[in-house]
Amino acid sequence: EIVLTQSPGTLSLSPGERATLSCRASQSVSSSYFAWYQQKPGQAPRLLIYGGSSRATGIPDRFSGSGYGTDFTLTISRLEPEDFAVYFCQQYTRSTPTFGGGTKVEIK
Amino acid sequence: QVQLQESGPGLVKPSETLSLTCSVSGGPISSGSHSWGWIRQPPGKGLEWLGNIYFGGDTNYNPSLKSRVTISVDTSKKQFSLKLTSVTAADTAMYYCARLWLTALDFDSWGQGTLVTVSS
Repeated sequence: EIVLTQSPGTLSLSPGERATLSCRASQSVSSSYFAWYQQKPGQAPRLLIYGGSSRATGIPDRFSGSGYGTDFTLTISRLEPEDFAVYFCQQYTRSTPTFGGGTKVEIK
Repeated sequence: QVQLQESGPGLVKPSETLSLTCSVSGGPISSGSHSWGWIRQPPGKGLEWLGNIYFGGDTNYNPSLKSRVTISVDTSKKQFSLKLTSVTAADTAMYYCARLWLTALDFDSWGQGTLVTVSS
């Protein structure tokens, strides 16, 4: 099973700042099958990025994904109040999807 | 826009079987482009994939839970179901049903989730 490790665990930032979230895989994964999700309290996760770098429907362009191999990054260029949430990465390899432990982006 | 809705008991006794159903609306359940899955999240923790069922009925389960998980589909009712046997307190979690897009292998639609507590 491929383990995804997200860092930092918590990111304390102010609205308007740039957020950089990291996800590291225990072995190389295909960026074609790498995704990011946003989860707000009391809600289900929502797909943000698929295929490593493509934004899902309705996702604003301040969200961007990048990376390949074992290192992937989600960047929020300028935090809006509604962006404070928990973010999860996910990969799919050999018929087994796994999720990272999450990064909480909180208001500083 | 496809919508998913979980239903089932919110409380299950230890050693018994957890049974949940997901109802699909706003789109086809018999799709060669998608499969249907279950994901859970213990309180305050991360996400754990349980398994998926594909068009034609093939299934794929998390190896760590494979002996306890069964996913089935009823296309006539546009529902798919989860059974998890021999539950313990460690199975207490929010259970989500979700649609897996087979092109990018990501979960593009989710139900709102249902909390299942295992307790006597």
